[in-house]
Amino acid sequence: NAGVIQTPRHKVTGKGQEATLWCEPISGHSAVFWYRQTIVQGLEFLTYFRNQAPIDDSGMPKERFSAQMPNQSHSTLKIQSTQPQDSAVYLCASSLVLGGREQYFGPGTRLTVL
Amino acid sequence: GDSVTQTEGQVTVSESKSLIINCTYSATSIGYPNLFWYVRYPGEGLQLLLKVITAGQKGSSRGFEATYNKEATSFHLQKASVQESDSAVYYCALSDSSGSWQLIFGSGTQLTVMP
Repeated sequence: NAGVIQTPRHKVTGKGQEATLWCEPISGHSAVFWYRQTIVQGLEFLTYFRNQAPIDDSGMPKERFSAQMPNQSHSTLKIQSTQPQDSAVYLCASSLVLGGREQYFGPGTRLTVL
Repeated sequence: GDSVTQTEGQVTVSESKSLIINCTYSATSIGYPNLFWYVRYPGEGLQLLLKVITAGQKGSSRGFEATYNKEATSFHLQKASVQESDSAVYYCALSDSSGSWQLIFGSGTQLTVMP
């Protein structure tokens, strides 16, 4: 079991550029979550999918951020026109639909916007 | 909305001493939330330490324990004798048992165990 895979591990973009972050959930897990961690805000929920359908995007910034899950083996988080305040570690997690709903996290993608 | 509070940002304990990391929560939804402790060891990713989904029960793992106290709305993490290898950042978290599955995290507590 490889765990949740996130690529790239580090990404540096210039202000105004686009960034796409990838997540491969644990095989058999039907729920995928995205979080963001900064020193100031801590760990914040962004969005999640269950059986590939978007369920809750209440944490997503209304502009520039979007997430998709085109198939059960990967999800993407896209940030358009990146800004310095988008710099953070973006974490992906997956979970079984049944059970105690514990989430298993990937190593994260550190995004730096210059 | 729901929230989790960890009052100590940093805790330093000598090896073999006891530990308690405080966590309190506020949950507005119907029913009781699921409660979790996650840990991040240096250089590693966030990993589940223990969970309790039933009020009044205790969870345990790797010598750590936490009891779900619904009256006090607390879920403190305890260990009788810490080791240097326990040095890490510990996060308390909750999820709504009936609604959204998102985790709401506390601010984290950096534990340093001195040899």
